[in-house]
Amino acid sequence: AQKVTQAQTEISVVEKEDVTLDCVYETRDTTYYLFWYKQPPSGELVFLIRRNSFDEQNEISGRYSWNFQKSTSSFNFTITASQVVDSAVYFCALSVRDRGSTLGRLYFGRGTQLTVWP
Amino acid sequence: NAGVTQTPKFRILKIGQSMTLQCAQDMNHNYMYWYRQDPGMGLKLIYYSVGAGITDKGEVPNGYNVSRSTTEDFPLRLELAAPSQTSVYFCASTNTGQFGYTFGSGTRLTVV
Repeated sequence: AQKVTQAQTEISVVEKEDVTLDCVYETRDTTYYLFWYKQPPSGELVFLIRRNSFDEQNEISGRYSWNFQKSTSSFNFTITASQVVDSAVYFCALSVRDRGSTLGRLYFGRGTQLTVWP
Repeated sequence: NAGVTQTPKFRILKIGQSMTLQCAQDMNHNYMYWYRQDPGMGLKLIYYSVGAGITDKGEVPNGYNVSRSTTEDFPLRLELAAPSQTSVYFCASTNTGQFGYTFGSGTRLTVV
């Protein structure tokens, strides 16, 4: 069975603080993809990053960075020098392919509500 | 603009009413999905389709029906609306089957 756990329900920080959002996943598949999405108050889902299971390189994009560790089944997301505009719900998701099919399914964590105070 | 278009954006239904949530994509994607997002929860898969004429159930299909008569359209039907169907509904599509998902902007449905 596939599962994504985001243990942090809510996080509050003050602007310019660094914050890390945790994501732990479970799957027996050897080929899978991991994602982070941002959901601002307006409600749409904004794609942030995708990682495949064979690429454990960490990635940095501006103030955002991601740490993928297969040994601990984690895909954590860090925002450096947080800003008020970072306030949103952040979802971690796992995509695996159905057996014998080309269909992939996305499994979402419950999300972490990040509030950045000025 | 290319992407996934969902209509309506908001809707209030009375218990027992029916409605269809529309989803259309213009990227010629084979795979399409319907998800629901309940408050404080992640998205859960309702139905999916791997191509025109082919649909199947996801995790939470009860109370819903879908059809896929064309590659572009994947409507979701609620026959007898219940308060438990109050949720935000997202449609998504992909051509790869495992990544490259494009999401619509969502439909916020309230059943009273």
